Amino acid sequence: QQQVKQSPQSLIVQKGGISIINCAYENTAFDYFPWYQQFPGKGPALLIAIRPDVSEKKEGRFTISFNKSAKQFSLHIMDSQPGDSATYFCAASSTGGYQKVTFGTGTKLQVIP
Amino acid sequence: DAGVIQSPRHEVTEMGQEVTLRCKPISGHNSLFWYRQTMMRGLELLIYFNNNVPIDDSGMPEDRFSAKMPNASFSTLKIQPSEPRDSAVYFCASLIRTSYYNEQFFGPGTRLTVL
Repeated sequence: QQQVKQSPQSLIVQKGGISIINCAYENTAFDYFPWYQQFPGKGPALLIAIRPDVSEKKEGRFTISFNKSAKQFSLHIMDSQPGDSATYFCAASSTGGYQKVTFGTGTKLQVIP
Repeated sequence: DAGVIQSPRHEVTEMGQEVTLRCKPISGHNSLFWYRQTMMRGLELLIYFNNNVPIDDSGMPEDRFSAKMPNASFSTLKIQPSEPRDSAVYFCASLIRTSYYNEQFFGPGTRLTVL
């Protein structure tokens, strides 16, 4: 019940295209859904996050879409750039308690010129 | 702030040796996490501390692994004895709550190779 399932495992997108990464969760106690971005040789870094009181959150070219009834959320990267090439992790946690975060398995994104 | 500091950045050791990884969280953060990342298993939570107290160590693979947090500014992850299958990148992260975000800040990681 603690799992967060992420797909696809890898993704190749042309520059200027839209990158879409999907995640699904089971635990209805989760109420915080962050996305982390990791470049090679670096630790993951928070990119954007959403709470289930809204269905969408946008920050620049990055948008999270959230479907509470389906227990699914996705990351959209508009106008994808080569500099966006990284591994993306979705995650989920319950803000009550001790902030344990459950991470998805990661999506390796490659944006080709 | 310098961010989360981990040392060493790289460690190469021989099977059977003791390995100690170190972490200094960001000042003021009261939660600390140790993760292990491999190609096969992805990012795995090993243990997390809240206010220096271990809260959940269910991810620690076996008794060869131990972690301590003697004070708010320092934590160690020890592997004794080390085995080749322990080879991975180990990350430490600390957390702060804001009005909206619960952001974990990750350190640069320690790449461990056990020969």
